[in-house]
Amino acid sequence: AQTVTQSQPEMSVQEAETVTLSCTYDTSESDYYLFWYKQPPSRQMILVIRQEAYKQQNATENRFSVNFQKAAKSFSLKISDSQLGDAAMYFCAYCSNYKLTFGKGTLLTVNP
Amino acid sequence: NAGVTQTPKFRVLKTGQSMTLLCAQDMNHEYMYWYRQDPGMGLRLIHYSVGEGTTAKGEVPDGYNVSRLKKQNFLLGLESAAPSQTSVYFCASNNDLGYEKLFFGSGTQLSVL
Repeated sequence: AQTVTQSQPEMSVQEAETVTLSCTYDTSESDYYLFWYKQPPSRQMILVIRQEAYKQQNATENRFSVNFQKAAKSFSLKISDSQLGDAAMYFCAYCSNYKLTFGKGTLLTVNP
Repeated sequence: NAGVTQTPKFRVLKTGQSMTLLCAQDMNHEYMYWYRQDPGMGLRLIHYSVGEGTTAKGEVPDGYNVSRLKKQNFLLGLESAAPSQTSVYFCASNNDLGYEKLFFGSGTQLSVL
């Protein structure tokens, strides 16, 4: 079974600084997709960024970017110029055969 | 544009009671999912459906049943609620085998006493 590991239960960052959230996964598949979802206190699940495993180029979405290392099965999220609104729980997720497996999450605090 | 709607938003049950959570989506999505979220555990897949009339077990299906009689609705049932089923339940849907983003409902907070 696929597993997703987020080794940092909590992280904090100063406003305007950069922070990197770690994620590793275990799979024997060659074709899959990876996601980062954000869950603010409102509980809503919000897609932050998506990466196809067959693409070598790292995905970027404005201040959010990933470092995808397929051989190492690593998928970290970098948040640049952190804002107070970035404070949330962040979940890494792996998708193969239409089933999404989530990590346990990293709680990000942004300090003013 | 409602998206994915879950009802109810909150519910308190006594051990042994039954209830049904309703998920409705208005995006004509083929695939629908039920997850539960527990502190420190992330989201875990309970059951899912790849089309009207189909259901399949996910990671933690025990104690739950589901039905997808209509394409737009996905029901999650608890026949005899247990305190271990206290959780936040999320419904989600999409139209591309999960490879595109999931559209989530706002969640149902269920407490079983």
